[in-house]
Amino acid sequence: GAGVSQSPSNKVTEKGKDVELRCDPISGHTALYWYRQSLGQGLEFLIYFQGNSAPDKSGLPSDRFSAERTGGSVSTLTIQRTQQEDSAVYLCASSLAGLAYNEQFFGPGTRLTVL
Amino acid sequence: GNSVTQMEGPVTLSEEAFLTINCTYTATGYPSLFWYVQYPGEGLQLLLKATKADDKGSNKGFEATYRKETTSFHLEKGSVQVSDSAVYFCALDDPSNTGKLIFGQGTTLQVKP
Repeated sequence: GAGVSQSPSNKVTEKGKDVELRCDPISGHTALYWYRQSLGQGLEFLIYFQGNSAPDKSGLPSDRFSAERTGGSVSTLTIQRTQQEDSAVYLCASSLAGLAYNEQFFGPGTRLTVL
Repeated sequence: GNSVTQMEGPVTLSEEAFLTINCTYTATGYPSLFWYVQYPGEGLQLLLKATKADDKGSNKGFEATYRKETTSFHLEKGSVQVSDSAVYFCALDDPSNTGKLIFGQGTTLQVKP
């Protein structure tokens, strides 16, 4: 069956450019999460959506990062004026509802490289 | 704040050896605990979980027991295979009850034939 998909799988950009990363969650999953996996920081939470609302944005590292979700489905993470420290793998996950006992299903990630 | 600490890797074992990957946590309240695995070239997937003290999670021959008294959730397997080579992440759910996960740094396991 269809899992969580992310696009692009790889993105190379120049410092200062804006990038958009896309996540398609599993159909029917109301909760959606973005995480970042980087060498120095491990796996870090970025933002959580319940439906189209983001009740927890506490992990976004700066105001250059933003995310939205539309139709309770697709989500886009936008990074403005990218910096080299933004280089990481960005992971998206979805679950039936934003509760601890609901398993999170992860996408394959988008590897972002900022030159 | 809540946090997870895992033993540093890489861990290198021969096939059929016994595996332990240590995980300890700091948390307020009573979080659920998880082990996720990332096989080479694949996405993160849930390996096992435990939701309360003394619960044992198990899957694919792996086990971990939620130990409240030692705040630990060590991953064990009696006999590893080459196909178990992967990165293993211990995690707990944030007390905000949104399902948001806090991960350890990950431990790379290499199993040699």
